[in-house]
Amino acid sequence: SQELEQSPQSLIVQEGKNLTINCTSSKTLYGLYWYKQKYGEGLIFLMMLQKGGEEKSHEKITAKLDEKKQQSSLHITASQPSHAGIYLCGADMTGGFKTIFGAGTRLFVKA
Amino acid sequence: DTAVSQTPKYLVTQMGNDKSIKCEQNLGHDTMYWYKQDSKKFLKIMFSYNNKELIINETVPNRFSPKSPDKAHLNLHINSLELGDSAVYFCASSRGDGYTFGSGTRLTVV
Repeated sequence: SQELEQSPQSLIVQEGKNLTINCTSSKTLYGLYWYKQKYGEGLIFLMMLQKGGEEKSHEKITAKLDEKKQQSSLHITASQPSHAGIYLCGADMTGGFKTIFGAGTRLFVKA
Repeated sequence: DTAVSQTPKYLVTQMGNDKSIKCEQNLGHDTMYWYKQDSKKFLKIMFSYNNKELIINETVPNRFSPKSPDKAHLNLHINSLELGDSAVYFCASSRGDGYTFGSGTRLTVV
């Protein structure tokens, strides 16, 4: 199993609906990153979270790191077709010398 | 068993040298990638191979040359290393429904 578990593996939502993607570790994370990949393109950096309880937003995408720094959720409000793609979480393990990645969540948005 | 293994984990070398980073996956995935992660944690795709064929070749200096001898291997050769090449390089593989990343190679050019 992966050190960083992402769920769900894939998600199909109707345009306009809200959705949440989770990224969970059994260990304390030093830093947590969210990336997005549009189909056929490379990964785009979305945001980075470092402090327990930290929350950041970018347009309609909000990510939060829990107080224990072991889980992050990515929430999209009023999803649009442009949100479709693969969302990937990455994290630095404590000490910052090792970065690991989840397997990715494939998001489809139906118009 | 390590699914995606990269070697070496750490590489310190002088400017002007030529070095290679190796990547092997035992997952049977068709697609392999090289990513560069800079100091700000931005992850940039460099190359992607599908069944030994190059399918993504982002704008990287031609000093970087990927080689895929078979589906399970994607090596990265770098000529005439420069200070700006210092970064962590990640290999990854995919069969289309998710990624598996290697543990990274931390390259330091001095």
